[in-house]
Amino acid sequence: GIQVEQSPPDLILQEGANSTLRCNFSDSVNNLQWFHQNPWGQLINLFYIPSGTKQNGRLSATTVATERYSLLYISSSQTTDSGVYFCAVADSGGYNKLIFGAGTRLAVHP
Amino acid sequence: EAGVTQFPSHSVIEKGQTVTLRCDPISGHDNLYWYRRVMGKEIKFLLHFVKESKQDESGMPNNRFLAERTGGTYSTLKVQPAELEDSGVYFCASSQTGGAHNEQFFGPGTRLTVL
Repeated sequence: GIQVEQSPPDLILQEGANSTLRCNFSDSVNNLQWFHQNPWGQLINLFYIPSGTKQNGRLSATTVATERYSLLYISSSQTTDSGVYFCAVADSGGYNKLIFGAGTRLAVHP
Repeated sequence: EAGVTQFPSHSVIEKGQTVTLRCDPISGHDNLYWYRRVMGKEIKFLLHFVKESKQDESGMPNNRFLAERTGGTYSTLKVQPAELEDSGVYFCASSQTGGAHNEQFFGPGTRLTVL
C-alpha cells in the first residue's frame, strides 16, 4: 500500500518564525489533506490539496503530485499553532480511505 | 452547518465488556469513515460506508468490531468483548462524493480506555 512519510518529526520554534513541513508519498493520489491536531485532540482541516497551491492566512500548502510530495508553510508562527500536523493521502485506485503519516509535532514558544 | 459529532467523548470500560460508539456525519454526506489511533501508533483506517453499505472494511482488526449504518444516517461501532489493546481514540469522518467532495471532515473522536 501507499506509504506516507512526514518530516521533521519534531519542530521547536520561537514565536514569529517561519517553518516548512514536508509530506512524501509513494504513489499517485487523488486526495491529500493536511490536518492540525489541537491540544484537545481534534483534527482540524487545514487544506484539501491533491495538487497545486493554496493559501489560508498565515498558512499555505503546495502539492507537486508528479514528484509525490507536499509542503505546508507556516509563517509568523504563533503559540496557538502548536500541536501535531498530519498529512493524509488516498491512492488513486482506492475508495478514498486516508493513509496518515506519523505527524510533525510543533511547539511554538513565546 | 453542524460538523461531525461523536458520542460519547470518553468511555472507560473493563476488559470483556461491550462498548458502542456513535457517529453522526455532516448532513447530506453519503460517505462515512471510521479511523482509530491506538497508543503510540498512527491514525489507521477501519472502514468506509457509502450510505448504508459497507464499501471497504479492510481495516477492521477482527470480528470483535461491528459497524452499522442503518438508514444511511448515523453509524455505530460496537466492540464486543473489549480487550486492552482496543484502547485509543476512535475518529469518525464524513465526505460528499466525487472530485473536491472527497475532502473528509473529522469528528472530535471518542477516547476509549479499556482497563
